[in-house]
Amino acid sequence: EVQLVESGGGLVQPGGSLRLSCAASGFTFISHWMSWVRQAPGKGLEWVANINQDGSEKYYVDSVKGRFTISRDNAKNSLYLQMNSLRAEDTAVYYCATVRTVTPSAWFDPWGQGTLVTVSS
Amino acid sequence: QSVLTQPPSASVTPGQRVTISCSGSRSNFGRNPVNWYQQIPGTAPKLLIYSNNERPSGVPDRFSGSKSGTSASLAISGLQSEDEADYYCAAWDDSLNGPVFGGGTKLTVL
Repeated sequence: EVQLVESGGGLVQPGGSLRLSCAASGFTFISHWMSWVRQAPGKGLEWVANINQDGSEKYYVDSVKGRFTISRDNAKNSLYLQMNSLRAEDTAVYYCATVRTVTPSAWFDPWGQGTLVTVSS
Repeated sequence: QSVLTQPPSASVTPGQRVTISCSGSRSNFGRNPVNWYQQIPGTAPKLLIYSNNERPSGVPDRFSGSKSGTSASLAISGLQSEDEADYYCAAWDDSLNGPVFGGGTKLTVL
């Protein structure tokens, strides 16, 4: 079964740090770009970051550039998101997702169940 | 403010057909296909339509997608109570090297 399982969410104070993890199974992790997508409470979906298969290419939404770092460990079939200098507006459920592509199309499938990050004092 | 524009809500009665629209710009819709995701409240999003009109395995043929120029639409026929969910359109944006999403349409089955 193809599965993504996130962990590492929790309550953190503004300015603090948190590291999210996503464990992948049931597919060839090393063959795919991976992404993080977040959803603030009661709001829509927002793409956060992408990473290519070997980790040499990384892209971020402007609002997290310089604060968040996406990485992966292909030996462990795992994706990470290091979040520093957290702000209240980073409060959201964070989903990891597998990027599927057939040029020029790209879509997310599957998604993990999400992990909640709350930034509050 | 979302990059792609969707109506915030729609409501239909069981058995009816609904169409949800999504509009974008040339930087995202210009050459890139549209995807649709379904999110049942309290759960993770799920891929519904990819590459404008392709259905993943397991998605009923009641769901269909189309795209023309900078507009796209999701049609759901024979609506059932289980279709009550939020629906998001998305397309890759070449300037971001990532996707942009619509704001979502909350579908209520009366």
